Amino acid sequence: DTGVSQNPRHKITKRGQNVTFRCDPISEHNRLYWYRQTLGQGPEFLTYFQNEAQLEKSRLLSDRFSAERPKGSFSTLEIQRTEQGDSAMYLCASSLGSGGAEETQYFGPGTRLLVL
Amino acid sequence: GQSLEQPSEVTAVEGAIVQINCTYQTSGFYGLSWYQQHDGGAPTFLSYNGLDGLEETGRFSSFLSRSDSYGYLLLQELQMKDSASYFCAARKNNNNDMRFGAGTRLTVKP
Repeated sequence: DTGVSQNPRHKITKRGQNVTFRCDPISEHNRLYWYRQTLGQGPEFLTYFQNEAQLEKSRLLSDRFSAERPKGSFSTLEIQRTEQGDSAMYLCASSLGSGGAEETQYFGPGTRLLVL
Repeated sequence: GQSLEQPSEVTAVEGAIVQINCTYQTSGFYGLSWYQQHDGGAPTFLSYNGLDGLEETGRFSSFLSRSDSYGYLLLQELQMKDSASYFCAARKNNNNDMRFGAGTRLTVKP
């Protein structure tokens, strides 16, 4: 396995358009996380899945944002009616989901979104 | 709520030792992780403290004191390639739900 992958790596869109990002986690990982990161800041938690169940959503995740993980493998993050403030790096991470001190989140390379 | 405080920038020379501090205020704190991120790259895991004390992984060590709500990352024998941003992240609960600090940008000079 080559790690967490994300597509596309870059996306430029016009304000008001919808965009969808995909994340493929490490194959045996049960948990999948979405974060948003802006320049000079740490990743901000958006939401996470345990298998196909979405267990928590941040208050940062407005109703324009929706995430799915239909078969408990890959996940998609959709942003509807994009706004310039949505411009950021969107990071996906995955972890085994077994809990314990050895639990580690592995991050993908991110999708950089620019809303014009 | 949760908040983590760490210095915004640190500068050191090759071969030196640097300590990056992190203080946190969280509800349901479970443990503290450290991540490294090079410009344009993804965060990569460095270390995790679930219990008080020191964890050592090669040139990197991390420390946690729950009673002081404080931790630090210690980098020894600094190399130029260590120039990056370093984030502390509080693990909120056993679900591995993490909240990140704003990051410390480390610059290593020759």
